[in-house]
Amino acid sequence: DQQVKQNSPSLSVQEGRISILNCDYTNSMFDYFLWYKKYPAEGPTFLISISSIKDKNEDGRFTVFLNKSAKHLSLHIVPSQPGDSAVYFCAASFRDDKIIFGKGTRLHILP
Amino acid sequence: NAGVTQTPKFRVLKTGQSMTLLCAQDMNHEYMYWYRQDPGMGLRLIHYSVGEGTTAKGEVPDGYNVSRLKKQNFLLGLESAAPSQTSVYFCASSYEDAGNQPQHFGDGTRLSIL
Repeated sequence: DQQVKQNSPSLSVQEGRISILNCDYTNSMFDYFLWYKKYPAEGPTFLISISSIKDKNEDGRFTVFLNKSAKHLSLHIVPSQPGDSAVYFCAASFRDDKIIFGKGTRLHILP
Repeated sequence: NAGVTQTPKFRVLKTGQSMTLLCAQDMNHEYMYWYRQDPGMGLRLIHYSVGEGTTAKGEVPDGYNVSRLKKQNFLLGLESAAPSQTSVYFCASSYEDAGNQPQHFGDGTRLSIL
């Protein structure tokens, strides 16, 4: 049973527009959420995170929103750039336990 | 800065052969992890280590063994490779447990079992 779900395998967005990647989770005990970005033939790299005590965290063009009541988080990228084309993994953890990854969403930024 | 280095990058094995994947990190991290990534799947934890001389099972440990004899190295072994172990393997490390600490990943080892 998937505890972290990324229901969109892929997403295409025009350059300069907003990219919104979504993630749902089932375990209400999760208290920390992370987003990783992965280019082909490379390992994932940490992008941004959010604690369950917050509902928003911002870092430059990247903002993560957390809706605990809906068990939903989203990653917003504004404005989208060609270098943002990658696979994005959502991940969650509970009290320093091992993190659980979603299956990933492939983002294509169109010129 | 090398970060996390995995060797080899590619390998093809025959069913029943054995091999060892090496992961080395130069960040003095206590925690190290081995994941596998399969098409359409996320990263699944195989084994992990919370310090030199320690190892523990993750989500999908069957068919694999690990050792952490030195703090900077984490080895993943396949004693008798099976086609189901064809995958991309990623090693990661973190200063503290990855619960709220970002992990640093290597670039992966692509392993094919024929």
